[in-house]
Amino acid sequence: RKEVEQDPGPFNVPEGATVAFNCTYSNSASQSFFWYRQDCRKEPKLLMSVYSSGNEDGRFTAQLNRASQYISLLIRDSKLSDSATYLCVVNGGRSDMRFGAGTRLTVKP
Amino acid sequence: SQTIHQWPATLVQPVGSPLSLECTVEGTSNPNLYWYRQAAGRGLQLLFYSVGIGQISSEVPQNLSASRPQDRQFILSSKKLLLSDSGFYLCAWDPGALRNSPLHFGNGTRLTVT
Repeated sequence: RKEVEQDPGPFNVPEGATVAFNCTYSNSASQSFFWYRQDCRKEPKLLMSVYSSGNEDGRFTAQLNRASQYISLLIRDSKLSDSATYLCVVNGGRSDMRFGAGTRLTVKP
Repeated sequence: SQTIHQWPATLVQPVGSPLSLECTVEGTSNPNLYWYRQAAGRGLQLLFYSVGIGQISSEVPQNLSASRPQDRQFILSSKKLLLSDSGFYLCAWDPGALRNSPLHFGNGTRLTVT
């Protein structure tokens, strides 16, 4: 079993749609969680941290379920510029940052 | 503010040639430093990390090595490249004193071994 698993997609959605990504992790001792965005042939960039109580940043909402060991990312009112690969990242402790393989999103006009 | 610089941006090298990729961080002290590799269509693989000068931990045994000669400098090297070394190499840092901080990446080096 992979340490961090994501549905690779691709997710193809129209502008304005709501789309959700899930990510599961195997290390129950994981301490922090993040979503990154990676554009084609570019470096990953931090999108948002994921807090235990859930958190929102504009159109983006992240949730954490420690009991079931998964995190989610919800994107509302999708924009063309949201097209990218979204990486789930789980930190099991210092120097133990594990990345999912990413979920590819394409938002179409 | 903190910035991370990584170079070169692209590199084409023949099999058997040496490699040296450099990464520097500005605006912070005592960062944790990391080298990742991303193969085409794959996730990020941690290669090396460093918590201080001269302290290197290797995650995956291979023909690559890393060094940290200065606090904010991290170098990835190879004496003889293999075809399988092709990929997207990313340097990253986090503030070593703060637990559970996210990583911040450099722009990456796209290496093609021919």
